[in-house]
Amino acid sequence: SQTIHQWPATLVQPVGSPLSLECTVEGTSNPNLYWYRQAAGRGLQLLFYSVGIGQISSEVPQNLSASRPQDRQFILSSKKLLLSDSGFYLCAWSVLGIVNYGYTFGSGTRLTVV
Amino acid sequence: DAKTTQPNSMESNEEEPVHLPCNHSTISGTDYIHWYRQLPSQGPEYVIHGLTSNVNNRMASLAIAEDRKSSTLILHRATLRDAAVYYCILRGADGLTFGKGTHLIIQP
Repeated sequence: SQTIHQWPATLVQPVGSPLSLECTVEGTSNPNLYWYRQAAGRGLQLLFYSVGIGQISSEVPQNLSASRPQDRQFILSSKKLLLSDSGFYLCAWSVLGIVNYGYTFGSGTRLTVV
Repeated sequence: DAKTTQPNSMESNEEEPVHLPCNHSTISGTDYIHWYRQLPSQGPEYVIHGLTSNVNNRMASLAIAEDRKSSTLILHRATLRDAAVYYCILRGADGLTFGKGTHLIIQP
């Protein structure tokens, strides 16, 4: 069966420090991968999605970047965190190109920038 | 993705059915109607989806209007564990775009 792993679960980082969040998927090949962010009391905002290794699409301009070095690995990074980067970060995967298929989300990383 | 409209919050009693409405008047012929729910401090969880016909699974039922401009998620017997934010989303080729959802409150 397919599973998605996301870590760490919680993270407290000072302003200006770097960030690296990792997400891996098991049990499927060539998935679509997504990074979402949820600010406190807000809805989910799509940050990045990837349809293949090295292919990243950004939905909104921001202080973050994403990379997909392997088929089932998706990384969210920042060189210098801002206070506004605080939030709940969620990774998700779906079957490539099929709209009749749901998304599976990871358990999320709660990032607090201080 | 086309836009959906949901009530901000709804309240129900435990062990009673819950009907969560969603309007999507601009739905296209190829959009699937997806429902997810998000429990506090967790990632969204897939609930159910459909295209034209009503759908049932172990979690819920989805009733889709004949013109597809609205749908209703039905929880047949709500429990306290069903308290969550429920998102109605139209899934097209561009993926999932989440709105604010409906905050479902279950009273014991």
